[in-house]
Amino acid sequence: EAAVTQSPRNKVAVTGGKVTLSCNQTNNHNNMYWYRQDTGHGLRLIHYSYGAGSTEKGDIPDGYKASRPSQENFSLILELATPSQTSVYFCASGDWGEGTQYFGPGTRLLVL
Amino acid sequence: QEKVQQSPESLIVPEGAMVSLNCSFSDSASQSIWWYQQHPGKGPKALISIFSNGNKKEGRLTVYLNRASLHVSLHIKDSQPSDSAVYLCAVSNTGANTGKLTFGHGTILRVHP
Repeated sequence: EAAVTQSPRNKVAVTGGKVTLSCNQTNNHNNMYWYRQDTGHGLRLIHYSYGAGSTEKGDIPDGYKASRPSQENFSLILELATPSQTSVYFCASGDWGEGTQYFGPGTRLLVL
Repeated sequence: QEKVQQSPESLIVPEGAMVSLNCSFSDSASQSIWWYQQHPGKGPKALISIFSNGNKKEGRLTVYLNRASLHVSLHIKDSQPSDSAVYLCAVSNTGANTGKLTFGHGTILRVHP
């Protein structure tokens, strides 16, 4: 089965600080995605990537940057964290033809 | 932008009951529809997908898609306590095969022994 790992699993940050969330997949999938999940909003797409070197804006990209340095790794960067970015963040990978996305275990971020 | 609505918000059933979950979507040109299962503290896991009008059965799961009414349903036969989870409906976006999905807010299912 597809394997997607995320680090850290839990993070406490201060307002205005920089936060980097990391994601690694070992399935050689072309596409990778970053979501946040909040009560009342469900899963919302922040950024995604079609392959190494590419990043695309999702539905809620404001306040976030993404980086895809390799096929396996996809990072989400909060340059100036705000309390409104407190959430659970999920990374996923998938491929063109199959369409199924495989999710990591999530990172719980608290911005104080 | 695609909108995905799920009902009911939550559901409690006894073990062995048939469970029916509903999902409506806004774009008739949407490609495939997925159902994901999410246990507390875990990431979502894909259960079953459907592309063509009609139904698809896998084990205890059956999914029905009606593109004319923009509606899809998931039915779980002989529900078990281990089926207790949040069920997410996800719709793939139209246009180029971006692989992007739009998710509903989910239905919380609790199966009690």
